[in-house]
Amino acid sequence: ETGVTQTPRHLVMGMTNKKSLKCEQHLGHNAMYWYKQSAKKPLELMFVYSLEERVENNSVPSRFSPECPNSSHLFLHLHTLQPEDSALYLCASSPGLYYNEQFFGPGTRLTVL
Amino acid sequence: DQQVKQNSPSLSVQEGRISILNCDYTNSMFDYFLWYKKYPAEGPTFLISISSIKDKNEDGRFTVFLNKSAKHLSLHIVPSQPGDSAVYFCAGYTGAGSYQLTFGKGTKLSVIP
Repeated sequence: ETGVTQTPRHLVMGMTNKKSLKCEQHLGHNAMYWYKQSAKKPLELMFVYSLEERVENNSVPSRFSPECPNSSHLFLHLHTLQPEDSALYLCASSPGLYYNEQFFGPGTRLTVL
Repeated sequence: DQQVKQNSPSLSVQEGRISILNCDYTNSMFDYFLWYKKYPAEGPTFLISISSIKDKNEDGRFTVFLNKSAKHLSLHIVPSQPGDSAVYFCAGYTGAGSYQLTFGKGTKLSVIP
């Protein structure tokens, strides 16, 4: 595998389900990000991790819970989501935290019923 | 309030002609800009960047121009090819120590053979 991978690519879940999104980067980067892309809206930064420490939580509801066990892996745990949380969730990584080009995964298309 | 604006949701261009994608920003603290290209079912991929100390940066068929006084940048693709058909995102970092990349909504470019 190369670059940034995300699984699953598509996910349909009910409002009472618990699921997790997984991201893995094979680039040796130190920073990882979760973004949300809703229809007709710009990409919105959700969480930032640098060297496994969370440095940003952009007022994201607690039903989204990130986890970064090491610098190569990033998870987004989902529970009791709302239909308006349906979106494309993108993971990205960068060599460092500041002024870096970010490399994106293909995204997980999430639908909440 | 959107800080990075791409006011044209779509653009159609004949193959071989020039494509010009525009981006405006409202915050004068933005000082490093990136353009990303996104194909369907893929994550955004980095295309070209420009620092505020420059007014032009070229990479092959792609040139980005920055007009700081107008808070405007543009991406020129010459000559346009059908494979350039994608959504193009403009994004910016605001000042030293910034790790938050702010994106525009994107412009969908269609290059007609």
